[in-house]
Amino acid sequence: DGGITQSPKYLFRKEGQNVTLSCEQNLNHDAMYWYRQDPGQGLRLIYYSQIVNDFQKGDIAEGYSVSREKKESFPLTVTSAQKNPTAFYLCASARGSGGEQYFGPGTRLTVT
Amino acid sequence: AQKITQTQPGMFVQEKEAVTLDCTYDTSDQSYGLFWYKQPSSGEMIFLIYQGSYDEQNATEGRYSLNFQKARKSANLVISASQLGDSAMYFCAMFRNTGGFKTIFGAGTRLFVKA
Repeated sequence: DGGITQSPKYLFRKEGQNVTLSCEQNLNHDAMYWYRQDPGQGLRLIYYSQIVNDFQKGDIAEGYSVSREKKESFPLTVTSAQKNPTAFYLCASARGSGGEQYFGPGTRLTVT
Repeated sequence: AQKITQTQPGMFVQEKEAVTLDCTYDTSDQSYGLFWYKQPSSGEMIFLIYQGSYDEQNATEGRYSLNFQKARKSANLVISASQLGDSAMYFCAMFRNTGGFKTIFGAGTRLFVKA
């Protein structure tokens, strides 16, 4: 089945450690996105990529990094510089930049 | 500044009745897209419906319709014949292609469908 996978669903880390969240899609979509969602709030854009080997910062990119070496993969690294990393992280893809986005199941990251 | 406002933090509706979820947006762009997404308790976001700024007719998808009033900058979601499975968070979103190809989301409305 076509779709987006994110792993793991739950992730626990100690403060000061970098952690990488996986996002893979087999929809042949060009555009991919990472969002952060805090309790009771909407989604905020961290990074997005419209094409392989290219990505742009979103509204809250500080403390995060990404890579887009393959069309189907867009991993997000939460670095130790991110001051408040505990959140729900959603990855999405779209055929083009303005199209409807298809979301993965999300990763809930807890940093203590 | 580009902005999406959803003024209803929570809404209740009786099963089988219709409900309207409000969304207003602020943009100076002429070309933009408006989306509604549903987020069940599982967390995954599900695309429901899309309206382009140049579309003259309101979008419909099954039990979902979008009441688009461009002059008022509103894009309300109407769910007809509510079902228990409609209980979820609903997010209004706007795509803009100025200042980067980004989609911005509102804070969401939690819908409770009562049996």
